[in-house]
Amino acid sequence: QVQLQESGPGLVKPSETLSLTCTVSGGSISSYYWSWIRQPAGKGLEWIGRIYTSGSTNYNPSLKSRVTMSVDTSKNQFSLKLSSVTAADTAVYYCARVGYYYGSGSYYGPMGMDVWGQGTTVTVSS
Amino acid sequence: EIVMTQSPATLSVSPGERATLSCRASQSVSSNLAWYQQKPGQAPRLLIYGASTRATGIPARFSGSGSGTEFTLTISSLQSEDFAVYYCQQYNNWLFGPGTKVDIK
Repeated sequence: QVQLQESGPGLVKPSETLSLTCTVSGGSISSYYWSWIRQPAGKGLEWIGRIYTSGSTNYNPSLKSRVTMSVDTSKNQFSLKLSSVTAADTAVYYCARVGYYYGSGSYYGPMGMDVWGQGTTVTVSS
Repeated sequence: EIVMTQSPATLSVSPGERATLSCRASQSVSSNLAWYQQKPGQAPRLLIYGASTRATGIPARFSGSGSGTEFTLTISSLQSEDFAVYYCQQYNNWLFGPGTKVDIK
């Protein structure tokens, strides 16, 4: 079955760029949307954005000016960069796959995030 | 921007009882809504998609209903492993609700 694994530095200095990679194993990265979600300690989930394997992206408006996502299909990986980080960006960062399903009639649409990585903790501190 | 709200923030339920969680969207999202369960220290798990379809491997005691702006997740008879935080998410702009914590009464 498909598995996701986040990787990257656990500590980032304020004002620098946070960089994370998600490696997809057990299946192809192609023809799916892939997402990043984060969760500060003790708080709720925040959707950061998603990327299709063509490179098409959608970002959370509240983070859009600082977020860049990319995909490397040859490595079965996709990545997140978040610039100008502050302590407020300290969180567990998850990567996830957006699953799709066939509904009634000819409907084909998203089903939400059906596969998740285990998450990686990123702390922003000097 | 579509804003999601969930109520109550915390729901205290005894094992074996029914739990009803609500999720509301600030504008219609049709049936484009998912529910997730998250236990401490774990990644979220997809429970329900399309507002009412259980994801693979999800027990029948979990059910979802609603469309438009009002949605409900019902757990018919709470088991010990169901005490967790539950999030709704609409996939028009993919934002999550703030979550409902289901704890033991």
